[in-house]
Amino acid sequence: DGGITQSPKYLFRKEGQNVTLSCEQNLNHDAMYWYRQDPGQGLRLIYYSQIVNDFQKGDIAEGYSVSREKKESFPLTVTSAQKNPTAFYLCASSIGGQGIDTQYFGPGTRLTVL
Amino acid sequence: GDSVTQMEGPVTLSEEAFLTINCTYTATGYPSLFWYVQYPGEGLQLLLKATKADDKGSNKGFEATYRKETTSFHLEKGSVQVSDSAVYFCALSSYSSASKIIFGSGTRLSIRP
Repeated sequence: DGGITQSPKYLFRKEGQNVTLSCEQNLNHDAMYWYRQDPGQGLRLIYYSQIVNDFQKGDIAEGYSVSREKKESFPLTVTSAQKNPTAFYLCASSIGGQGIDTQYFGPGTRLTVL
Repeated sequence: GDSVTQMEGPVTLSEEAFLTINCTYTATGYPSLFWYVQYPGEGLQLLLKATKADDKGSNKGFEATYRKETTSFHLEKGSVQVSDSAVYFCALSSYSSASKIIFGSGTRLSIRP
């Protein structure tokens, strides 16, 4: 079955620690995205990548980093510089990054800072 | 810039009631329009989409028509079920938004048995 997987589903982090969230897709999509969702709110774009070895900052990139070494994978690192990291993180992908494509979402990772 | 405005929730209805969730947009050019649904604790699923004016997207009994003259994409369902309880997001994507999807803030729908 084709799709997007995110792991882990729940993640707990101590203050001051970096943590990496996994996102893998086997849809052969070129473009991948990371969003943050806070309770009762919409989605905010963190980073996106239109092609391997290239990525761009979204609206709230501070305190986050990404890499895109493989087409299938787009891991997100939440660094200690992110002051309020507790949130639900969603990864998405689309066929191509040039405009109007449907985005398909993974199941999400809920990060809690203790 | 491009934006999406949808009705605030929560919306609470009885089973078999008629549903409308309003969505209006602002965009340059000709965006594609989407409705996504999020069930508790899960990611977003594409519910339906429309790519040009007067197109009607439909899925699982839900419908929405792309109205360019009123810049709207209202979601409707004739008879809701308890299983429709979720958060619904209206969204758009256009060349002017550089491959990003612009989401509305979401509308929480609760259906009473």
